[in-house]
Amino acid sequence: DAGVIQSPRHEVTEMGQEVTLRCKPISGHDYLFWYRQTMMRGLELLIYFNNNVPIDDSGMPEDRFSAKMPNASFSTLKIQPSEPRDSAVYFCASSWSYEQYFGPGTRLTVT
Amino acid sequence: TQLLEQSPQFLSIQEGENLTVYCNSSSVFSSLQWYRQEPGEGPVLLVTVVTGGEVKKLKRLTFQFGDARKDSSLHITAAQPGDTGLYLCAGDTGGFKTIFGAGTRLFVKA
Repeated sequence: DAGVIQSPRHEVTEMGQEVTLRCKPISGHDYLFWYRQTMMRGLELLIYFNNNVPIDDSGMPEDRFSAKMPNASFSTLKIQPSEPRDSAVYFCASSWSYEQYFGPGTRLTVT
Repeated sequence: TQLLEQSPQFLSIQEGENLTVYCNSSSVFSSLQWYRQEPGEGPVLLVTVVTGGEVKKLKRLTFQFGDARKDSSLHITAAQPGDTGLYLCAGDTGGFKTIFGAGTRLFVKA
């Protein structure tokens, strides 16, 4: 298996622009997680899905953030409009148990 | 709020030395995982401990889960430069919502 795939690996955008991050989980995993990592706050859980259904989105910072999982093999995290404080590394992870498998991350820079 | 506190936050040692990092909480966890993250990559799972008092060994790494399932430790014997990275502990609250500690950043000098 190729593992969790994320795209793009790097994204640089200007404040106010829409950003879409993509994730393909490991086949057969029924849980998908979106995290944000910064030096100041560490690894923060934003939202997680089970069988494509959002279970807990209490970590989503505000209404500018939204996530979807239209099918078992694809999820997106969208930020609209983006702000400089959204700059971070965003990770997607998938699992079928309590052990999570992380993708390589998307490094987002908002100028 | 459930929190996992890791200590030390940063550790710089010479190759060949031993070290222990700690993960503590006031909450009980169903299981606890340790991950290692290298620069530019996502965290990689090292081990899961489930039973209170459990000890697991992975080559030079020894993981222990506290009897009360509230804390854990990671001991590395004869550290090598390849052990350099961010070590994260993560607690499973029972609902697949995992709580991560802030991590211990380890640097092993050759």
